[in-house]
Amino acid sequence: GESVGLHLPTLSVQEGDNSIINCAYSNSASDYFIWYKQESGKGPQFIIDIRSNMDKRQGQRVTVLLNKTVKHLSLQIAATQPGDSAVYFCAENDNQGGKLIFGQGTELSVKP
Amino acid sequence: GAVVSQHPSWVICKSGTSVKIECRSLDFQATTMFWYRQFPKQSLMLMATSNEGSKATYEQGVEKDKFLINHASLTLSTLTVTSAHPEDSSFYICSARAGIPDMNTEAFFGQGTRLTVV
Repeated sequence: GESVGLHLPTLSVQEGDNSIINCAYSNSASDYFIWYKQESGKGPQFIIDIRSNMDKRQGQRVTVLLNKTVKHLSLQIAATQPGDSAVYFCAENDNQGGKLIFGQGTELSVKP
Repeated sequence: GAVVSQHPSWVICKSGTSVKIECRSLDFQATTMFWYRQFPKQSLMLMATSNEGSKATYEQGVEKDKFLINHASLTLSTLTVTSAHPEDSSFYICSARAGIPDMNTEAFFGQGTRLTVV
């Protein structure tokens, strides 16, 4: 079946540095992607999304890049803060029924 | 943003009993809701798609008689774990999308339910 995967399971960064979290997807027909942040014991929280007709989208301190040629997605967090420590998931929209398929997840740890 | 409320946030039950988890969309109507299961340090695994007024669609490998889903209204879906066993202990999360399911719209998630079966 289709799957969404991540290259790095853990990432440790210094406070103030930029973070980059990567994601590879396998369904070339996917046209919508979302990044979620999940803190321990809580449900996923929307961060930013991007449609396949775009290759970059910026939010507040976050940027998502989409490379459809290599089926790669990344989340960039600028000036990473301790409050950014969490697990980050990319999710791929399944056009059949609107299901979101989640990737492996990357645990981001921010050192003060 | 839209709010999805899940209840209870945690529950402990005895082996062999059934547990019901509720998922409500508080400020929008959700024709489709989704139920996920998550083990520690792992990703969210989609269990089933809950459709208002019709039967749920289960993912491969998920026992529909074990995990009963009811979507009786546009704002409420329930997941009942029947005859629970310790291996059913997990974090269960629901989500809902406000638009047409096939539209590219954000999915909102509940806060999750921690189920522990003893």
